[in-house]
Amino acid sequence: TQLLEQSPQFLSIQEGENLTVYCNSSSVFSSLQWYRQEPGEGPVLLVTVVTGGEVKKLKRLTFQFGDARKDSSLHITAAQPGDTGLYLCAGRIGTSYDKVIFGPGTSLSVIP
Amino acid sequence: NAGVTQTPKFQVLKTGQSMTLQCAQDMNHEYMSWYRQDPGMGLRLIHYSVGAGITDQGEVPNGYNVSRSTTEDFPLRLLSAAPSQTSVYFCASRAIYTGELFFGEGSRLTVL
Repeated sequence: TQLLEQSPQFLSIQEGENLTVYCNSSSVFSSLQWYRQEPGEGPVLLVTVVTGGEVKKLKRLTFQFGDARKDSSLHITAAQPGDTGLYLCAGRIGTSYDKVIFGPGTSLSVIP
Repeated sequence: NAGVTQTPKFQVLKTGQSMTLQCAQDMNHEYMSWYRQDPGMGLRLIHYSVGAGITDQGEVPNGYNVSRSTTEDFPLRLLSAAPSQTSVYFCASRAIYTGELFFGEGSRLTVL
């Protein structure tokens, strides 16, 4: 059973378009992280959100944590080919970071 | 600064063979973990360690053994490889205050 679901699974867009990817769960998370993974490499942390309703911006990327801390979204403005990659959300249940659960990921392709 | 180093990057095994995936980190992180990544499944936690001499099971521990004799090293052992263990394996260490996971570049294992 997948505790974290991500949608869409695949996304292919033209350079300059905007997009939103989603991360949903029936569980409440203490915090949620977004990672980006490029082919042949390990995931790299983009952001951590902790408070329900929190919004964080990282240049053209905007991250939001749902009020109930069960969902999150990642919005990219004016996508660039360098944004291509697999976007993974990861949730922490409880107070310990010992078991962080990952979603299946959204594979994004930005076409020049 | 090397971060997390995994070896080998690629390995082909026959069913029933054994092998060890090596992982080393130079960030003095107490927490280390092993994940496997399969298409559409995201990253699934195999085993983790919160310090030298302490290990625990994750979501999918069957068929894998670990030990932690030093802070730096966390090897993953497959005692009798099975085709179901064909996957990409990632080792990660975690920063204690931020909860950020630092991943290696991955080890691609094929079991024939």
